[in-house]
Amino acid sequence: QKEVEQNSGPLSVPEGAIASLNCTYSDRGSQSFFWYRQYSGKSPELIMSIYSNGDKEDGRFTAQLNKASQYVSLLIRDSQPSDSATYLCAVNEGGGSNYKLTFGKGTLLTVNP
Amino acid sequence: GAGVSQSPSNKVTEKGKDVELRCDPISGHTALYWYRQSLGQGLEFLIYFQGNSAPDKSGLPSDRFSAERTGGSVSTLTIQRTQQEDSAVYLCASSLNSGGANEQFFGPGTRLTVL
Repeated sequence: QKEVEQNSGPLSVPEGAIASLNCTYSDRGSQSFFWYRQYSGKSPELIMSIYSNGDKEDGRFTAQLNKASQYVSLLIRDSQPSDSATYLCAVNEGGGSNYKLTFGKGTLLTVNP
Repeated sequence: GAGVSQSPSNKVTEKGKDVELRCDPISGHTALYWYRQSLGQGLEFLIYFQGNSAPDKSGLPSDRFSAERTGGSVSTLTIQRTQQEDSAVYLCASSLNSGGANEQFFGPGTRLTVL
């Protein structure tokens, strides 16, 4: 059973702070890692993808991957109230079904003005 | 360009009725996926289509669920004899190609309520 675990939250940070979201996964064969943002009542929106160990930055977002530790994280710098949402970590399945994504249950982030 | 579209956006049905949910992927995307998101649960993979290959139906929860994809584009998910536990948001996603590196983009979903 492939598992993706996220810090349970909810996570509350003040506006302008750094929000740190964490995710661990069980499948050592996983090669692709994604972060989705889901506003209440809406569908998931892809915000970051990462495939190699290290950091990947896109604007205020930085994804970090450590395959040896089976750990992926998302940092949001200068958090804004509009960042308040549930963040979903998704990991692909290793092997022949690598198109399949396993999602964590999400971390609810609230950014307080 | 246009994203993934789904219809209807909401569907309320009575237990025992059949329902059909439709998904139109992003133009040019060859891979299509159906997921289900239940209250308090994560996204659950249901089925995957890639081109003319046989679909991966391994996530379908029962034989009441079926899906088809016509002409490599539009897909329909059918749930027969609906049950209350089928109530959920059904999400469709598409990606440019198959393979794990391909980013999946979601449609707005269909919220299904079975009374």
